[in-house]
Amino acid sequence: GAVVSQHPSRVICKSGTSVKIECRSLDFQATTMFWYRQFPKQSLMLMATSNEGSKATYEQGVEKDKFLINHASLTLSTLTVTSAHPEDSSFYICSAPLIAGSEQYFGPGTRLTVT
Amino acid sequence: GQQVMQIPQYQHVQEGEDFTTYCNSSTTLSNIQWYKQRPGGHPVFLIQLVKSGEVKKQKRLTFQFGEAKKNSSLHITATQTTDVGTYFCAATSGTYKYIFGTGTRLKVLA
Repeated sequence: GAVVSQHPSRVICKSGTSVKIECRSLDFQATTMFWYRQFPKQSLMLMATSNEGSKATYEQGVEKDKFLINHASLTLSTLTVTSAHPEDSSFYICSAPLIAGSEQYFGPGTRLTVT
Repeated sequence: GQQVMQIPQYQHVQEGEDFTTYCNSSTTLSNIQWYKQRPGGHPVFLIQLVKSGEVKKQKRLTFQFGEAKKNSSLHITATQTTDVGTYFCAATSGTYKYIFGTGTRLKVLA
């Protein structure tokens, strides 16, 4: 199956700093990637759709200036949490389908802790 | 916006018992996917259902898509300890993005 990686797997940062999370499709090209947020024992909440070469599409209630998404190549999307605060602490996970609308391959996730 | 609810939220079963989780949408769906997430892991794709009334089987797992394409179910026959995890449905109404259901956490007691 297709492989999606994420880096870093864990990050601890101080309040007010910015954190960049990378999502890579290792053996396929992904024109679209999705970013989710998951709180403990809860479902995955879709934050935004990352589109290669164009602006990301954000879900209602997700601040685009807070969560910057860049999809500069067919294998890499990045999520930058700007001016992080403790309430941004969460599990961030990306996914990519081989073909639009088909099964999604998930990265292993990034656990962000803001102190 | 689109909402996808799953019931039950939690289910504890004895090993060997059957298990079913139900997924219900407020809108008609184009298709539905099912994923399994082990504790501490990431979601892993199980199946995609597209046609009204479709039934698909994978060994002990049976997936069903409702006739009205507003609900779906996942049934596991004779659960095993390896079935432990959270089962999510993910639905789309026509776009390429999927909305995940609330999930059902399954615990299997040996």
